[in-house]
Amino acid sequence: EPEVTQTPSHQVTQMGQEVILRCVPISNHLYFYWYRQILGQKVEFLVSFYNNEISEKSEIFDDQFSVERPDGSNFTLKIRSTKLEDSAMYFCASSPKGTDGYTFGSGTRLTVV
Amino acid sequence: AQRVTQPEKLLSVFKGAPVELKCNYSYSGSPELFWYVQYSRQRLQLLLRHISRESIKGFTADLNKGETSFHLKKPFAQEEDSAMYYCALTGGGNKLTFGTGTQLKVEL
Repeated sequence: EPEVTQTPSHQVTQMGQEVILRCVPISNHLYFYWYRQILGQKVEFLVSFYNNEISEKSEIFDDQFSVERPDGSNFTLKIRSTKLEDSAMYFCASSPKGTDGYTFGSGTRLTVV
Repeated sequence: AQRVTQPEKLLSVFKGAPVELKCNYSYSGSPELFWYVQYSRQRLQLLLRHISRESIKGFTADLNKGETSFHLKKPFAQEEDSAMYYCALTGGGNKLTFGTGTQLKVEL
C-alpha cells in the first residue's frame, strides 16, 4: 500500500535556527498538507497546497513558516526561526482529490531547545 | 467556525464489552465526518467516514444531525482496539478539524 514518507522521524534544533521537515507524498496525489500536534493537544491544520501554491492556511501558519514542492516528489515545511513553542509532532498528508484517500505520514517530532 | 469535541480523554473497557466513543461537532453547514485511529507508534489511519456508511473492524458511526453527534460504536471490544481515536470534520474544503482524541484501553 502506498505511504506518505516523512524524514527525519525526530529532529532537535536550537531556538532561532531554521529547520526543514521533509515529506514524500503518494505519487499520484495532487493535494498536500501539513498538520501539527503539540504534546497533549489536538492535531491542528497548518496549510494545504495544490497546483504549486498554498490553497488554504491557518492562523498558526505565519511568516515564519513556508512550504515548497522543490521537485516532483518532495514537499517541505520550513520554519525560519524556531521558537520553543514550535516543539510538536508535524504530520504531512496527501490526497488525490479532496478528502477522499487522505493519507498521513508517520510524523516528525520536532524538539526546539 | 468548525469545532469537534471529544469529551473523554480516556475510556477503559473490558474485552468483550461494548464501546462508545463520543464525538460532537459544531458547524453551520453540512459537514463531512471522519474517525481516525492511531495505534501505538503508528500513523493516523482513516477508520471510517460517514458518507461511506461502512463498518470497519466492527466499528460503526452514525451521523446524528439533530444532536450534532458522530459517536463511534463497537458491540464487543477486542484487545487490538486499544489505540487513540480522533473524530474529525471538514466543511466543504479539504482542511480536517480534529477533536482532542480519546485513548481507548481494552483490558483483559
